[in-house]
Amino acid sequence: SAVISQKPSRDICQRGTSLTIQCQVDSQVTMMFWYRQQPGQSLTLIATANQGSEATYESGFVIDKFPISRPNLTFSTLTVSNMSPEDSSIYLCSVASGTGGTYEQYFGPGTRLTVT
Amino acid sequence: AQSVAQPEDQVNVAEGNPLTVKCTYSVSGNPYLFWYVQYPNRGLQFLLKYITGDNLVKGSYGFEAEFNKSQTSFHLKKPSALVSDSALYFCAVRDGALSNTGKLIFGQGTTLQVKP
Repeated sequence: SAVISQKPSRDICQRGTSLTIQCQVDSQVTMMFWYRQQPGQSLTLIATANQGSEATYESGFVIDKFPISRPNLTFSTLTVSNMSPEDSSIYLCSVASGTGGTYEQYFGPGTRLTVT
Repeated sequence: AQSVAQPEDQVNVAEGNPLTVKCTYSVSGNPYLFWYVQYPNRGLQFLLKYITGDNLVKGSYGFEAEFNKSQTSFHLKKPSALVSDSALYFCAVRDGALSNTGKLIFGQGTTLQVKP
């Protein structure tokens, strides 16, 4: 399985500011995903970020609010822009491991964001 | 549309007793089913998956899950619970008919509490 690290592990930010979260993988992966886990809730997919193409956003998430970069096969960033307290969540990076459509996903440790 | 239901918010078992965490799913095509565990302040850890074949799937830490197509269920089981199994468990499904474009959809999670 891939080893995934995220930076920062946690942060406290003021409303109106932006935070960029980094995701680093120890092997080359094609498919990467960004999820949000609001307090006491399940995981919600924000976007799929495949290297060499624009990120695909899920309903309710837009590029202006959550811009994503995917410069190579081992790295991605998610920016949370113009933050409000409603953005307080854990943000998780995930990668697909395996061939074809039978892959499983592995997750990073998450970034715990608190917006004040 | 895909969906996953975990009917129990919390499951309490005594150490040494068998445990079951329930999951039912709905998907249009072939169900690819997964279980993940989340320990406090940690990311999700992959436990096991069902793609095809034997309905009983074995995974990490002594966990197993049984796929039941007629009941559209994928319950997680362990013959003898440990206090260290106490954590938040997520069931997830992906539509296998969509191959690489399918999204992983998570249930709401079930907190497992194992008491000594």
